[in-house]
Amino acid sequence: NAGVMQNPRHLVRRRGQEARLRCSPMKGHSHVYWYRQLPEEGLKFMVYLQKENIIDESGMPKERFSAEFPKEGPSILRIQQVVRGDSAAYFCASSPPDSEKLFFGSGTQLSVL
Amino acid sequence: TQLLEQSPQFLSIQEGENLTVYCNSSSVFSSLQWYRQEPGEGPVLLVTVVTGGEVKKLKRLTFQFGDARKDSSLHITAAQPGDTGLYLCAGVSGGYNKLIFGAGTRLAVHP
Repeated sequence: NAGVMQNPRHLVRRRGQEARLRCSPMKGHSHVYWYRQLPEEGLKFMVYLQKENIIDESGMPKERFSAEFPKEGPSILRIQQVVRGDSAAYFCASSPPDSEKLFFGSGTQLSVL
Repeated sequence: TQLLEQSPQFLSIQEGENLTVYCNSSSVFSSLQWYRQEPGEGPVLLVTVVTGGEVKKLKRLTFQFGDARKDSSLHITAAQPGDTGLYLCAGVSGGYNKLIFGAGTRLAVHP
């Protein structure tokens, strides 16, 4: 059973470009979470999704950021018109229904030049 | 706003020493989780504590949840270089895994 798969592992973008981060949850997991980690800081919750539904996006900036978890395919975190402050490690986690156990992917390190 | 403060921020010790790291909050959590994170990787869940006063042991690691469910500690006995990493505590509040993470304790164990 493969773990949570995130790609790419590293993504370099110039200011103003778009960044797309992908996350495939573990098999059987229908809940996906995105977290952001800045250097020397803990992880900060961004968004919680179930298949085709955004349940809680309270941690996501109102502008430029969006997330989806379609019926088929991976979850996508999309950042439009990236700025230097978006540089961070973005982690996806998944869990089965009714479980407090989160399984994290290895993250995508986004660098904005 | 719920916050979790971890201390110390950094800890550098010799192999064989004991250590304790702390996770404190003014808020009550329904449960609290401890993770270990290595460079370039995501956090890996070590333990979940649920009941106030609960103590859980994982080999040389002992986790305790405060009676009021506001704080927790992690004690490592006879630390080994393989214990090196970033230790994160995370509070669970609400009905799903919207975790509130502390900033972590970065542990280095030298041979």
